[in-house]
Amino acid sequence: DTEVTQTPKHLVMGMTNKKSLKCEQHMGHRAMYWYKQKAKKPPELMFVYSYEKLSINESVPSRFSPECPNSSLLNLHLHALQPEDSALYLCASSHDPRLAGVLHEQYFGPGTRLTVT
Amino acid sequence: AQSVTQPDIHITVSEGASLELRCNYSYGATPYLFWYVQSPGQGLQLLLKYFSGDTLVQGIKGFEAEFKRSQSSFNLRKPSVHWSDAAEYFCAVYTGGFKTIFGAGTRLFVKA
Repeated sequence: DTEVTQTPKHLVMGMTNKKSLKCEQHMGHRAMYWYKQKAKKPPELMFVYSYEKLSINESVPSRFSPECPNSSLLNLHLHALQPEDSALYLCASSHDPRLAGVLHEQYFGPGTRLTVT
Repeated sequence: AQSVTQPDIHITVSEGASLELRCNYSYGATPYLFWYVQSPGQGLQLLLKYFSGDTLVQGIKGFEAEFKRSQSSFNLRKPSVHWSDAAEYFCAVYTGGFKTIFGAGTRLFVKA
């Protein structure tokens, strides 16, 4: 199974709402990522979890709150978002790239299309 | 500085014609290089990867890429394009510390 699943596929939320994005993988990967992708742009890294601990936060505003409850699940909690936060949010996973012999290839989910109104 | 450049914002090829998408990277050490493809509204799918060994690597969907260290290039090729290949293509390099740099992408249009 080389699949990363994301729910929901689409989400429309107001600026005062609280919502969550979910991501799941069963490939035994111990690194999981959140990316934000605007139209016609490459993905931008937001957060990285390694062994369920936050390893990287790319100076993301606190209205985005990641969570990694276990090695298979990754959540992104959203609160008080702005219209400019509308984007495709991609989850990815990989083996620990620090391990010898491991190539840092990431497996991406299909994304959640978020619209903030 | 580490970077990935995809010089072509978009390319149009006829169905059945050959394809080459260009990628140049700037990275001090031996690079881990990747090509990903993204269909509209979808996630990224790994086409192929290179770290060491044979400089010509084969990927899925009939794609191949050639690593040329002297030119700092990792161009993607396909001998005969199908309409279903129309998508956005991203070249990427792993730079360490869980980080991957993506190129700006090349949009491929396929005409009948």
